[in-house]
Amino acid sequence: QVQLVQSGAEVKKPGASVRVSCEASGYKFTDYYMHWVRQAPGQGFEWMGRINPKSGGFQYAQQFQGRVTMARDTSISIGYMELSSLTSDDTAVYYCAKGARELDPRGSFDPWGQGTLVMVSS
Amino acid sequence: QSVLTQPPSVSGAPGQRVTIPCTGSSSNIGAGYDVHWYQQLPGIGPKLLIYDTTNRPSGVPDRFSGSKSGTSAFLAITGLQAEDEADYFCQSYDITLSGSVFGGGTKLTVL
Repeated sequence: QVQLVQSGAEVKKPGASVRVSCEASGYKFTDYYMHWVRQAPGQGFEWMGRINPKSGGFQYAQQFQGRVTMARDTSISIGYMELSSLTSDDTAVYYCAKGARELDPRGSFDPWGQGTLVMVSS
Repeated sequence: QSVLTQPPSVSGAPGQRVTIPCTGSSSNIGAGYDVHWYQQLPGIGPKLLIYDTTNRPSGVPDRFSGSKSGTSAFLAITGLQAEDEADYFCQSYDITLSGSVFGGGTKLTVL
């Protein structure tokens, strides 16, 4: 079945960077966008951006531009999201999600990874 | 501040019908983009409930339905059950932002 498995929880100090990985299985990795979404404690979802696994092209949400980098390794069907210059406001659960429509950014997200808690604390 | 607006909470008694609105603008829902809905149970990642405004993935009961009118979309839940108590989020695409946008979420309480 289609599945996304993320890396484990991270604790980082302010100013540091964090990289979260997302391993895809059960579908052709290069045919669907991988999106990254975060959810701060008690808050809603915030879309961070997407990567086209086929081309490596990306679109980042404006509020993360300059701080986020999305990448992929098609040989092992893994996507990566790196966020730099962390502050306490970046404490959140970070999710990867597969776009439902083939290389179309307007579709739903299904499935989602299990989430990765990133805690930023001094 | 979420781009799509949802009420923070709604409630209903078992067996009743509730509707959760999701209001956007002319750059997202009003531009004709589909709306998708997710259910999130406490401590668990989101589950796709409605895709492409009106469609249910396999396994989602037909008690859940979606619709759209103008710049708003709606999630209706009929025959409320205790297991429906969860947070519900809407999502669409925004042409101005060139990306996906979410509602702030609505907590459903089954009385």
